[in-house]
This record gives sequence, structure tokens and C-alpha cells, in this order.
Amino acid sequence: DVKVTQSSRYLVKRTGEKVFLECVQDMDHENMFWYRQDPGLGLRLIYFSYDVKMKEKGDIPEGYSVSREKKERFSLILESASTNQTSMYLCASSFGPANGYTFGSGTRLTVV
Amino acid sequence: QKEVEQNSGPLSVPEGAIASLNCTYSDRGSQSFFWYRQYSGKSPELIMFIYSNGDKEDGRFTAQLNKASQYVSLLIRDSQPSDSATYLCAVKTYNTDKLIFGTGTRLQVFP
Repeated sequence: DVKVTQSSRYLVKRTGEKVFLECVQDMDHENMFWYRQDPGLGLRLIYFSYDVKMKEKGDIPEGYSVSREKKERFSLILESASTNQTSMYLCASSFGPANGYTFGSGTRLTVV
Repeated sequence: QKEVEQNSGPLSVPEGAIASLNCTYSDRGSQSFFWYRQYSGKSPELIMFIYSNGDKEDGRFTAQLNKASQYVSLLIRDSQPSDSATYLCAVKTYNTDKLIFGTGTRLQVFP
């Protein structure tokens, strides 16, 4: 089975801190995604990547950046954390357009 | 209009009954349709996908797709309390690997 691993299950950070969320997948998937999930708003796409060093903005990229230096790793960066970035962050990967995503276990980030 | 719409629920059904979960989508170019189950505090897990009009069965689950009506549904037969979760509908449009998610329907199966 594909495994998508997110480095932290829970994080608490202070306003203004730079935050790194790491995601690693072990099945050589080309495509990787970062979503945030909030009650009543569902899953919203932040950034995605189809290849190493390639990134594209999703629906809500403001306040975030990403890095994909290796195929298996896709990092989400909060440049200066704010309280409105408190959320559940979900990483996902997929192999090709005909397949669904496999999600990581999620990181619940609280910004205080 | 939201791109993918689901009734938020909760949908309450007794154990052993059929649960019917519905989803509509706005983009006629949508090609692939997915159902995810998400338990409280957990991440979504893929349970069904369907590409062609008609029904697709997998165990107790049946996905139904009607592209003309832009409608996809998930039927769960012999519902169990362990099926209680939020069910997310997701749609992939032509020539993209991005999934658009609905906000989910919460299902409660009571004994």
C-alpha cells in the first residue's frame, strides 16, 4: 500500500513564526498536493506539484509556499504564521490522472 | 454555485438499512468521480471510484453515475454503526489531476 507520511500529527506555533510541514510518500508518485480542511469549508487546495521542482498554486495559496526538491517529498511552508492558518493540513499523492489520492494522516496546526 | 455539492446531513439510518448519499457537480467536463470516507479526526480514505455512467459495485458499496444529470451517488447496503463517518464526494475534470471536493455528508448509523 502507498504510504503518505506527514511528519507531525499536532503542532502549536506562535504568530509570526515560519512553519514547515513535511510530507513524504514511498510509491514514486509524480503528483503531490497540500490541502487544508476547515469545518463547513471542506478541503481546499493550497498548492500542488506534478514533478520535482515544479509547483502550481491551488485555490488558496496566499500566505503559503511549497518546496519539492525530491520526488518523494513535498513541503508546505507558512512564511509568517497567522491565527487564521489554524487548521488541519492534509498532504496527498497520486499516480496519474485516472487515480484518486492517498492522504497522509494530517497535521493539526494551531497558531496562537 | 459550488462546483461539487453535497447535503451536509446528518443522514441518520438504522443498522441494516440502505444509506443513500448524493452529490451533484457543475462542470460537464468532469471525467472521474471518487467517494472518500473520513472518520472523525482522521484523514480521508478512498472507498470507491467511477468513470462511466451506470453502477459500480464493491461489496456493500455501490456508486452510481449519471453524467447527463451531473449526479453521482453512493449506496451503502446493510449499514453498520462502523459506517458512521463523513463521506466526501470528489470530482476530477478533464486533463487535470486536481480533485474538487464537496464538503461532505455526515452519516450516522444507529443500532
